[in-house]
Amino acid sequence: GNSVTQMEGPVTLSEEAFLTINCTYTATGYPSLFWYVQYPGEGLQLLLKATKADDKGSNKGFEATYRKETTSFHLEKGSVQVSDSAVYFCALSDNSGGSNYKLTFGKGTLLTVNP
Amino acid sequence: NAGVTQTPKFQVLKTGQSMTLQCAQDMNHNSMYWYRQDPGMGLRLIYYSASEGTTDKGEVPNGYNVSRLNKREFSLRLESAAPSQTSVYFCASSVRFDQPQHFGDGTRLSIL
Repeated sequence: GNSVTQMEGPVTLSEEAFLTINCTYTATGYPSLFWYVQYPGEGLQLLLKATKADDKGSNKGFEATYRKETTSFHLEKGSVQVSDSAVYFCALSDNSGGSNYKLTFGKGTLLTVNP
Repeated sequence: NAGVTQTPKFQVLKTGQSMTLQCAQDMNHNSMYWYRQDPGMGLRLIYYSASEGTTDKGEVPNGYNVSRLNKREFSLRLESAAPSQTSVYFCASSVRFDQPQHFGDGTRLSIL
């Protein structure tokens, strides 16, 4: 079956530090890949996505590249801010066999950015 | 823009009580989903509705039922609540499977 493994947290950084949150996946088909962010007390929001190999998703200074050869979709940001403190979820959507519900999430990584 | 609206936001139940969580979306999406979020477990799919008139089980359906009332609304029912169902419940919707899901703000449910 499909699965997503992401870096365990919590991750604590100082403002302006470089961020990487690792995410690897296993999938039977040709998945789309997503990063979602959850701010305290809120639901998940889509941060970025990539739908095929070598695509780069980007938003709000965050980037992730769909690497089929390493089955990875690592999240990066060059300079984090206090406002980036949140839980980040990597997820995949399985396009195979008409399985149109299959959004599989990683367990989430808590990021805290200190001023 | 309302997006996905969940009610109630908080609820405390006693073991054995029943409850229905409501979800409505105003984006004309075809698919709707119910998840539960527990510490260290990420999000787990309870039930989903691919389109109006259809519902299917997800990873953790035991103890729950759902109703897709119309295209906008998808409710989750706990018939006899148990402490193991204490969780944060999220409703989501999407145009179709390969499009991003839009989430509500969640219902925080405690069962004593």
